[in-house]
Amino acid sequence: TQLLEQSPQFLSIQEGENLTVYCNSSSVFSSLQWYRQEPGEGPVLLVTVVTGGEVKKLKRLTFQFGDARKDSSLHITAAQPGDTGLYLCAGVATSGTYKYIFGTGTRLKVLA
Amino acid sequence: DTGVSQDPRHKITKRGQNVTFRCDPISEHNRLYWYRQTLGQGPEFLTYFQNEAQLEKSRLLSDRFSAERPKGSFSTLEIQRTEQGDSAMYLCASSSWDRGPAGANVLTFGAGSRLTVL
Repeated sequence: TQLLEQSPQFLSIQEGENLTVYCNSSSVFSSLQWYRQEPGEGPVLLVTVVTGGEVKKLKRLTFQFGDARKDSSLHITAAQPGDTGLYLCAGVATSGTYKYIFGTGTRLKVLA
Repeated sequence: DTGVSQDPRHKITKRGQNVTFRCDPISEHNRLYWYRQTLGQGPEFLTYFQNEAQLEKSRLLSDRFSAERPKGSFSTLEIQRTEQGDSAMYLCASSSWDRGPAGANVLTFGAGSRLTVL
């Protein structure tokens, strides 16, 4: 059972457009992470959000952790072709372990 | 430090054969993870170690899969009697221990070992 559902699954947009990716769960997470993965490589961490309601900005990327710590969103402003990749949310749902569960993934393609 | 290394990068095998993948984590990292990923999907948890102890193993794993980390450094993942459904990318990641909340450690991934079972 996949605990973290991402939407949309695929997204193809033109350069300069804005987009939002969602990560939802019925479970409470102590923190959530966002990773980006490019073809042939492993995922690379973008950000960790820890506090419910927290908002973090990384240049054109804005990450938000839901108040109830069950969901998160990633917003990209003025997308660029270099943003193309597979975006993954991840977290530890079970206390007392360090078992990271990954979301279903959102594949983003930004067209020039 | 050269990051997390995985070997081989690609493996093509015939159904029924055994395969073994190796992962060398970042040297000071005490946690090591194995994931399986199919095209366009998120990584699926297989197992993780803290030092040499295997602390959790996915119920999705059949008896054909086994992982070891004998000295708390490198790890191996063996798949016996491979099936076509085993074809996937096998990812290894490592992380260090710190006092932060669970889920706040950085997972550093290797580039993966791609398995194709014919």
